[in-house]
Amino acid sequence: QQQVKQSPQSLIVQKGGISIINCAYENTAFDYFPWYQQFPGKGPALLIAIRPDVSEKKEGRFTISFNKSAKQFSLHIMDSQPGDSATYFCAASSNFGNEKLTFGTGTRLTIIP
Amino acid sequence: DTAVSQTPKYLVTQMGNDKSIKCEQNLGHDTMYWYKQDSKKFLKIMFSYNNKELIINETVPNRFSPKSPDKAHLNLHINSLELGDSAVYFCASSRPTGPRVRTQYFGPGTRLLVL
Repeated sequence: QQQVKQSPQSLIVQKGGISIINCAYENTAFDYFPWYQQFPGKGPALLIAIRPDVSEKKEGRFTISFNKSAKQFSLHIMDSQPGDSATYFCAASSNFGNEKLTFGTGTRLTIIP
Repeated sequence: DTAVSQTPKYLVTQMGNDKSIKCEQNLGHDTMYWYKQDSKKFLKIMFSYNNKELIINETVPNRFSPKSPDKAHLNLHINSLELGDSAVYFCASSRPTGPRVRTQYFGPGTRLLVL
């Protein structure tokens, strides 16, 4: 059972544009939502994370938007750069990350010049 | 360097063999994990240890056995390897990073190919 649904599967964005990746979850016990970035041949690296007591969190060019009632959250990458080309995973956990992480299926992002 | 490290980076072996993957973290974290990433890049947790105690044991064949000799190490032993075990195995470790929040940090992965 896929508890975290991620879309799109792949995304091509022009340099300088906004990349948007969406995730939806089913388990209302989830209360911690991190995004991981994975480059080819590397392990996933934490990018940014949010708790449901806020609707938005911004770190540099990366923003998470969170809609608790819709059980959806999204990653926005502003001014996308070729170096942002990677696979992005959303994830969710309960007990503020103290329980296991359930990952989305990943989005392969390609930024073209 | 402070990090989560895994050995070996690549592992090619025949069906039926037994192999081990080692993981070490020098971050002082109290919890360690094993994840499997399949050919479609789907990441799924297999095991988790907190202070050497098994706390998460997902539905994984009992051919997979984790061992934590101390808080800084978590090894994965796989018996009777099957073709379907081919995947990338990631070790991770975590620590509390805020009020009740815990953050996981991943190693570079071990690419296992069973022939």
